[in-house]
Amino acid sequence: TQLLEQSPQFLSIQEGENLTVYCNSSSVFSSLQWYRQEPGEGPVLLVTVVTGGEVKKLKRLTFQFGDARKDSSLHITAAQPGDTGLYLCAGASFTHRAGSYQLTFGKGTKLSVIP
Amino acid sequence: EAQVTQNPRYLITVTGKKLTVTCSQNMNHEYMSWYRQDPGLGLRQIYYSMNVEVTDKGDVPEGYKVSRKEKRNFPLILESPSPNQTSLYFCASSLSVYQETQYFGPGTRLLVL
Repeated sequence: TQLLEQSPQFLSIQEGENLTVYCNSSSVFSSLQWYRQEPGEGPVLLVTVVTGGEVKKLKRLTFQFGDARKDSSLHITAAQPGDTGLYLCAGASFTHRAGSYQLTFGKGTKLSVIP
Repeated sequence: EAQVTQNPRYLITVTGKKLTVTCSQNMNHEYMSWYRQDPGLGLRQIYYSMNVEVTDKGDVPEGYKVSRKEKRNFPLILESPSPNQTSLYFCASSLSVYQETQYFGPGTRLLVL
C-alpha cells in the first residue's frame, strides 16, 4: 500500500496570511490531485498535476508537483475565510499491464481562516 | 444535473444485519469506486470497478462486497456489519481510468451498534 504523508494536519491562520500544505510520499505517482471537502459533503477536485515540476495556479492557490512525482504542495496566498475547509491530496497509480487504477489519499489538512 | 447519488444518506443498524448502500451516476462513467473516511485515517479505498462486471479490491476490502451489473450502479454490500464498519462512506466515479477526475457522492454516514 502506498502512503501519502500530508502536513500539517491542522492549520489555523488569520485572514490575509499565506500558507503552504505539503504532501509527501516515497512512491512515484502517475498524477497527483488536490481536493477540498466541506463538512457533510464529498471531496471536490481542485486540480490535477501530471508532469514532474508542473505548477498550476487557481486564483490564489498554487499547486506544484515535485520533479520526481513523489511530492506536491499547495500554497494559498492571502487566505480568506472562504478558504476554510479540509484539503486532501491524492496520488493516482495506474498500472496498464495489470489494468488497475487506485487513488491513495493523504489524511488531510483542516484549514481554518479566522476573519 | 450530472451527479453521483448515494442512498441512504444516514443509516443506523445493528451488528450482523445485512445492508446495502446504493450508488448511482448519470454521467455514463466507466470507473466507479467506494471509499470510507475515518478520523485520523483519511479516505481509504474499499473497492473499485474499471467497467461493467470488472471489480477489484482497494486497500480495505474486508467485510465488504460490491457488484457492477450495469454501468450506472455500484452498490456496496455489508453482509454482516460490525461496529468497526461505522464510518462515512463515499462513492465516486470518473469517465474512465484514463480520465482521472473523480466526482464524489454526498456520502453515507453509517453507525453499526
